[in-house]
Amino acid sequence: GEDVEQSLFLSVREGDSSVINCTYTDSSSTYLYWYKQEPGAGLQLLTYIFSNMDMKQDQRLTVLLNKKDKHLSLRIADTQTGDSAIYFCAEHYGGATNKLIFGTGTLLAVQP
Amino acid sequence: DTEVTQTPKHLVMGMTNKKSLKCEQHMGHRAMYWYKQKAKKPPELMFVYSYEKLSINESVPSRFSPECPNSSLLNLHLHALQPEDSALYLCASSPGLAGGPGGGELFFGEGSRLTVL
Repeated sequence: GEDVEQSLFLSVREGDSSVINCTYTDSSSTYLYWYKQEPGAGLQLLTYIFSNMDMKQDQRLTVLLNKKDKHLSLRIADTQTGDSAIYFCAEHYGGATNKLIFGTGTLLAVQP
Repeated sequence: DTEVTQTPKHLVMGMTNKKSLKCEQHMGHRAMYWYKQKAKKPPELMFVYSYEKLSINESVPSRFSPECPNSSLLNLHLHALQPEDSALYLCASSPGLAGGPGGGELFFGEGSRLTVL
């Protein structure tokens, strides 16, 4: 199947860390991505991780990958009100097609 | 220039109208995409163009007709739409194709919000 699941909603206080989780289905995915969508806007690529990596850090963002459990997470350190948005994980569907399957999305609300 | 530009930003049309959505990028990307996004849902892939040729059509109804006149432009022609087609239509481009990180590294436009009456 092509279902990529995420929890619907996460609320944190400004300055705390946020952890957004994702489970994917295609074990042949070579790259996994995190996108951010602010209200009324398109999606913005935040970061990606290659499937043979366990962790990738990029400034305030840390991506953890557990390939055995097909579990991906995005940690945002020192969360700011500007981080409030919907976050989508995405997997690159296997095969010769260039098809990106998005997760169900997590709405992150940052309280001041 | 790292932008994908979509026009119009908003479009209201009747079920008998013919309209077009336009998308432009000048990043030299050779893959371009149309996605449909309903409220509170993830984007759903509609079409993929690679090197100006249609490579993926996700069983989209024929009332949606894509066109790629050149490597920088992507159109979506709309005809005889239904109210359930009301959604945000997102255009994207990517520098790479399947297999590499660029294949999933999509640059999105702000979208065209379509309302079908």
